[in-house]
Amino acid sequence: DIQMTQSPSSLSASVGDRVTITCRASQSISSYLNWYQQKPGKAPKVLIYVASSLQSGVPSRFSGSGSGTDFTLTISSLQPEDFATYYCQQSYGTPPFTFGPGTTVDFK
Amino acid sequence: QIQLQQSGPGLVKPSQTLSLTCAISGDSVSSNSVAWNWIRQSPSGGLEWLGRTYYRSKWYNDYALSVKSRISINPDTSKNQFSLQLNSVTPEDTAVYYCTRDGGSFHFDYWGQGTLVTVSS
Repeated sequence: DIQMTQSPSSLSASVGDRVTITCRASQSISSYLNWYQQKPGKAPKVLIYVASSLQSGVPSRFSGSGSGTDFTLTISSLQPEDFATYYCQQSYGTPPFTFGPGTTVDFK
Repeated sequence: QIQLQQSGPGLVKPSQTLSLTCAISGDSVSSNSVAWNWIRQSPSGGLEWLGRTYYRSKWYNDYALSVKSRISINPDTSKNQFSLQLNSVTPEDTAVYYCTRDGGSFHFDYWGQGTLVTVSS
């Protein structure tokens, strides 16, 4: 199985900050990398798919980049509603489709 | 508007079978371009893909190796829904279970509301 890691595991930030989260795959996954946001008690919501495509309805302050094994999610200016946990997930080739352990963004 | 509505018990005894159903509105379980998945989230927060069913002129299934001997995901075309059965459950199967759609772009774009299933006697 392809293993996914994320860093940091948590971070503290303020409204207006630029936030960057990194995801790394244990082998090359081309661009088959998705990012999800999850708030407490809710299902995850896709933000970015195939590394850099913005899901419909998601604010443009979210962006994704990378290919191969290293990927980045960037929030250009953190808003109050962005405090949440973020997961990366690979969808390369055949299943299983594995998730990263998550990065929690909370108030500084 | 696509919606996934989950149903099923929230408490299952050890060694018994966990059964959940996901009713689909706004799409078809028999669509040739999507796949229907089950994912669970442990109490510690980790997300685990369990398996999927999809139709491409015939039905296919894929399952995670960790549960392959115990899992079955089945479509019900008459009710436009799909189900999860997980046999011989243990407390380690306690989790929030989600049904999801992969809309053909290799990501999970619609999710059910989630069902907390506790395995306990």
